Amino acid sequence: GENVEQHPSTLSVQEGDSAVIKCTYSDSASNYFPWYKQELGKGPQLIIDIRSNVGEKKDQRIAVTLNKTAKHFSLHITETQPEDSAVYFCAASREGKSTFGDGTTLTVKP
Amino acid sequence: SQTIHQWPATLVQPVGSPLSLECTVEGTSNPNLYWYRQAAGRGLQLLFYSVGIGQISSEVPQNLSASRPQDRQFILSSKKLLLSDSGFYLCAWKPGRDNSPLHFGNGTRLTVT
Repeated sequence: GENVEQHPSTLSVQEGDSAVIKCTYSDSASNYFPWYKQELGKGPQLIIDIRSNVGEKKDQRIAVTLNKTAKHFSLHITETQPEDSAVYFCAASREGKSTFGDGTTLTVKP
Repeated sequence: SQTIHQWPATLVQPVGSPLSLECTVEGTSNPNLYWYRQAAGRGLQLLFYSVGIGQISSEVPQNLSASRPQDRQFILSSKKLLLSDSGFYLCAWKPGRDNSPLHFGNGTRLTVT
């Protein structure tokens, strides 16, 4: 089955700096790659996603890149703010089923 | 708009007791429904998913079972809880088509004592 590895497990940045989280996947048939943000005591919420026919997507301060050949994708957050502090999960999906990475705890220091 | 309700928010149960967690979705029809478990500091492990009433697929052999008695209702059950069943349980739905995101409930924190 699919295996998703996510790095780093924890990330601490200063407010205003950029944060990068990286994921690799094993199943070349995966064709949909969402990123979720989970705040304490809540369920994860989608922040951005990318499909396998696209190499990069941007939404304001958040961007995602996908390298299908290398089977890795990354989340980039620019101009980080304290409210960006949360746990971030990547996922690789095919046929409606998602496999998640173990999560990255991002802390943005004011 | 679509909403997902999951309850209870927290639950403390003794070992050997039964379990029933309920999830309902509003504002959509024929959704795919999912149960995930999240261990502390870990990712989300898919337990069960359903593409229609009475259709349940199990991803991990375990002490739990799932049922979908109605189109927008998904239930997670156990006859006898184990200590290892403790965790954060999340229900989610998505439209039936591929390549769409999951929409999660706010989860149930289960502690088995």
